[in-house]
Amino acid sequence: KQEVTQIPAALSVPEGENLVLNCSFTDSAIYNLQWFRQDPGKGLTSLLLIQSSQREQTSGRLNASLDKSSGRSTLYIAASQPGDSATYLCAVRTSGAGSYQLTFGKGTKLSVIP
Amino acid sequence: NAGVTQTPKFQVLKTGQSMTLQCAQDMNHNSMYWYRQDPGMGLRLIYYSASEGTTDKGEVPNGYNVSRLNKREFSLRLESAAPSQTSVYFCASRISGGEAFFGQGTRLTVV
Repeated sequence: KQEVTQIPAALSVPEGENLVLNCSFTDSAIYNLQWFRQDPGKGLTSLLLIQSSQREQTSGRLNASLDKSSGRSTLYIAASQPGDSATYLCAVRTSGAGSYQLTFGKGTKLSVIP
Repeated sequence: NAGVTQTPKFQVLKTGQSMTLQCAQDMNHNSMYWYRQDPGMGLRLIYYSASEGTTDKGEVPNGYNVSRLNKREFSLRLESAAPSQTSVYFCASRISGGEAFFGQGTRLTVV
């Protein structure tokens, strides 16, 4: 059974700092990995999708990397802003049986202090 | 472009009552999902529909039923609500090989 872990559970940084969020998964046989952002009381907003054949994806100040063999992904946020404060979730789509399912980590709650 | 739309946004039920959560997507996606989100537990899959006409159980299906009414709509029914079903429910959809998109959620309280 796929398990997804995100460490740390919470992170507080001063505005302007670059930061890295971590996601690890136990089964490396994946189709893709997706990063989401969730604001309090809101739904999930898709940030980046990395296919299993890709090493990284970039969107604006965000860069996500994938090392499938080691079961790890990172989300790099450059020049953080208070508006980046949210909970960040990663989700993995595993190959094989149950491949339509997404397995989520419990998220990292990010606070960017002005 | 509305994306994934869930109704209602909020609901309070008494124990034993039934209700249906509605979900519709306008992106022509094949797969649709129902998740629940609880503090400390993260997002857990209840049911999913890989394509129109098919549904399958996820991690926590007990106490729920689903209907894939057509390609656009996927509903979640609670036949006899219990306090343990108090949660935030999210519907999502995805095209084959693509990213998943989520609705804004339904906050359900069972008293």
